[in-house]
Amino acid sequence: DIQMTQSPSSLSASVGDRVTITCRASQSISSSLNWYQQKPGKAPKLLIYAASSLQSGVPSRFSGSGSGTDFTLTISSLQPEDFATYYCQQSYSTLFTFGPGTKVDIK
Amino acid sequence: QVQLQQSGPGLVKPSQTLSLTCAISGDSVSSNSAAWNWIRQSPSRGLEWLGRTYYRSQWYNDYAVSVKSRITINPDTSKNQFSLQLNSVTPEDTAVYYCARESPTTVTSSLGYWGQGTLVTVSS
Repeated sequence: DIQMTQSPSSLSASVGDRVTITCRASQSISSSLNWYQQKPGKAPKLLIYAASSLQSGVPSRFSGSGSGTDFTLTISSLQPEDFATYYCQQSYSTLFTFGPGTKVDIK
Repeated sequence: QVQLQQSGPGLVKPSQTLSLTCAISGDSVSSNSAAWNWIRQSPSRGLEWLGRTYYRSQWYNDYAVSVKSRITINPDTSKNQFSLQLNSVTPEDTAVYYCARESPTTVTSSLGYWGQGTLVTVSS
């Protein structure tokens, strides 16, 4: 299996802050990396697919970058509704794997 | 608009079979581009992909190594739904289970639509 790691595991930030979350794959996955947002009691929601493509309806303050083994999710100006847990997921292998998540909470 | 509606029991006894169903609206389980997945989430395991079923002139399945000996995912074309069966469950299978639609993107695929989730507790 391809292992996914994320850092940090949690962070505290204020509204308006720029937030960056990192995801690393145990082997090269090209651009086969997706990002999801999950709020308590809800299913994950697709934000970014193929490393840098914004899912329809997702605000432009979210962006993704990277290829190979290292990827980044950036929120340019954190909004109150962005406090949530974020997961990366590789789709390079037919057997999907997710990162452990990064919880973004209010400072 | 694709919608996935999950159903099934929230409590299963140890050694028995966990069974869940995911009803699809706005798409077809027989789609030649989509795939139909099950994922679970627990505090100890995080988000864990379990497997998928999909149709490409014939039916195919992929399963996670961790559950491959115990899992079956089946399509039901007459009801436009798919199901999960997990045999010989233990308390470690306690989790929130999600169904999700996988669709192709520019270079790969992603899980763009999810069911509402079902908490399944394994306990006697």
